[in-house]
Amino acid sequence: ILNVEQSPQSLHVQEGDSTNFTCSFPSSNFYALHWYRWETAKSPEALFVMTLNGDEKKKGRISATLNTKEGYSYLYIKGSQPEDSATYLCAFIVRGNRDDKIIFGKGTRLHILP
Amino acid sequence: EAQVTQNPRYLITVTGKKLTVTCSQNMNHEYMSWYRQDPGLGLRQIYYSMNVEVTDKGDVPEGYKVSRKEKRNFPLILESPSPNQTSLYFCASSPGGIAYEQYFGPGTRLTVT
Repeated sequence: ILNVEQSPQSLHVQEGDSTNFTCSFPSSNFYALHWYRWETAKSPEALFVMTLNGDEKKKGRISATLNTKEGYSYLYIKGSQPEDSATYLCAFIVRGNRDDKIIFGKGTRLHILP
Repeated sequence: EAQVTQNPRYLITVTGKKLTVTCSQNMNHEYMSWYRQDPGLGLRQIYYSMNVEVTDKGDVPEGYKVSRKEKRNFPLILESPSPNQTSLYFCASSPGGIAYEQYFGPGTRLTVT
């Protein structure tokens, strides 16, 4: 059974501090890794699509790295702001024999404290 | 505005009463899929469609049907809903397949009593 683990499950961070969290996934048959940001009462929105080992992506204060050989990705938020409060989902896309498959982690819930 | 729409947003129904949740996208995306979100679990894929008239089962297809007669629409049908289908449902589309970023609809919260 393919499993995607995100840690921590929940995180409280003081406004202005930087933080990071992890997505772990199987290292075989890797195709892509997605990060999504999911605010309460809204729908998930894509942050990054990562496909190559060593990929680093950045969008404003948020960045992500990818290590496909060891099966992990980190998401970093620099100088947290209240609007960063959300659940961050990662999704692992694996090559299948017939079709590719997507497996979501349970998410890291981030709370920014004023 | 590029978007995925779903209707209804909220629905309370009774066991066995057939229902359809509609999904429509205006981005000309080929790939569409349905997910359910349950407490303590990650999003799980129910069905997906690579293009018109091409649909396939995801991880949790039991109790659901879909159709893809037009590129923009991908309705989710529950022929005989049961309480274990109480969940938050998301429709999503992407331009090239599952490896591309998914654009999610607003979600439909379904309660089956």
